[in-house]
Amino acid sequence: AQKITQTQPGMFVQEKEAVTLDCTYDTSDQSYGLFWYKQPSSGEMIFLIYQGSYDEQNATEGRYSLNFQKARKSANLVISASQLGDSAMYFCAHGQADGYNKLIFGAGTRLAVHP
Amino acid sequence: NAGVTQTPKFQVLKTGQSMTLQCAQDMNHEYMSWYRQDPGMGLRLIHYSVGAGITDQGEVPNGYNVSRSTTEDFPLRLLSAAPSQTSVYFCASSFLVQGASGELFFGEGSRLTVL
Repeated sequence: AQKITQTQPGMFVQEKEAVTLDCTYDTSDQSYGLFWYKQPSSGEMIFLIYQGSYDEQNATEGRYSLNFQKARKSANLVISASQLGDSAMYFCAHGQADGYNKLIFGAGTRLAVHP
Repeated sequence: NAGVTQTPKFQVLKTGQSMTLQCAQDMNHEYMSWYRQDPGMGLRLIHYSVGAGITDQGEVPNGYNVSRSTTEDFPLRLLSAAPSQTSVYFCASSFLVQGASGELFFGEGSRLTVL
């Protein structure tokens, strides 16, 4: 069974600095996807970024990038130039690449951005 | 754009009562699913469906029933509520894309308290 581990329950960063949120995964799948979602205090789940296991380049979406190290089974989220609005819970998730989006989520990391 | 709509947003039940959480999506997504979110545990998959008439169990199915009679609707039923089912419930949907994982679209969540 797939498992996602986020070892940082809480992180803080100064505004305008970069921060890395860690995610490791355990899977026997050959083909899979890794996702990051943001959950602000209002509670909705916001999709941030996706990385396919066969993608050769790390995914980027604006200020978000995914540091994908397949051999180490890690998929860390990097947020550059942090903003106060980045304060939220962040979840890493694994999905099987069979078209079934049965995402398995990690426990999450709470990020606080300080002015 | 309605997206994924969950009702009710808040509900308080007494132990042993039954209720149904409604989920509807207007994006013609084949895949629909229910998650529960508990503090420190991320989101856990309860049940999912890949089309009308097809449902299957996720990680934590006990105490919950689902059905999928139409593409649009995927209700979650609690037949006899227990305090352990106090949680925030999310419905999520997506297209089925063979060979790749697609983005899940989430509803706003339903907060359920069982006394």
